[in-house]
Amino acid sequence: QQQVKQSPQSLIVQKGGISIINCAYENTAFDYFPWYQQFPGKGPALLIAIRPDVSEKKEGRFTISFNKSAKQFSLHIMDSQPGDSATYFCAASLWGNEKLTFGTGTRLTIIP
Amino acid sequence: NAGVTQTPKFQVLKTGQSMTLQCAQDMNHEYMSWYRQDPGMGLRLIHYSVGAGITDQGEVPNGYNVSRSTTEDFPLRLLSAAPSQTSVYFCASSYLLAGYSGANVLTFGAGSRLTVL
Repeated sequence: QQQVKQSPQSLIVQKGGISIINCAYENTAFDYFPWYQQFPGKGPALLIAIRPDVSEKKEGRFTISFNKSAKQFSLHIMDSQPGDSATYFCAASLWGNEKLTFGTGTRLTIIP
Repeated sequence: NAGVTQTPKFQVLKTGQSMTLQCAQDMNHEYMSWYRQDPGMGLRLIHYSVGAGITDQGEVPNGYNVSRSTTEDFPLRLLSAAPSQTSVYFCASSYLLAGYSGANVLTFGAGSRLTVL
């Protein structure tokens, strides 16, 4: 049973464009939503995270948008660069709980 | 600071063989976990531990065994390898939140790629 659904599975974006990855969750008790970034041959690493008390969080070119009523959240990468090419995982958990439920991942490729 | 170290990086097994994937962390993290990564399936939790002597099952525990004798080490054992266990395995650790306010930030190792023939 997949509690966090992620789309698309793969995404190709031109340099300078906007990359958008979407996630939807089922468990309404989830209240912490991080995004992890994974480069080839490496383990995932925390990129940015949000809690439901805000609808948007921005860190540099990376923004999380959160829609609590729709149980959806998304990652936007502005001015996408070739160095952003990686696999991105959304995740969800209870605040104060170590166990994360991950989405299926999105392989992002930024082409020149 | 080494972080989370996994060995081996690559391993090929025959069906029915057993082996242990090693995981060690030097950050004094109480929480340690094992995930497997498969195409189209994302990261799925196999087993986790909240401290020495305490382990519990995750989403996909069948065919795997763990123990936690020290804070630093959390080995994953495959008892009788099957082709379905071909995957990339990640060990991850974090501080224990124990229900207190706080964001979980998992530190992952670089992964161990296992092929079972």
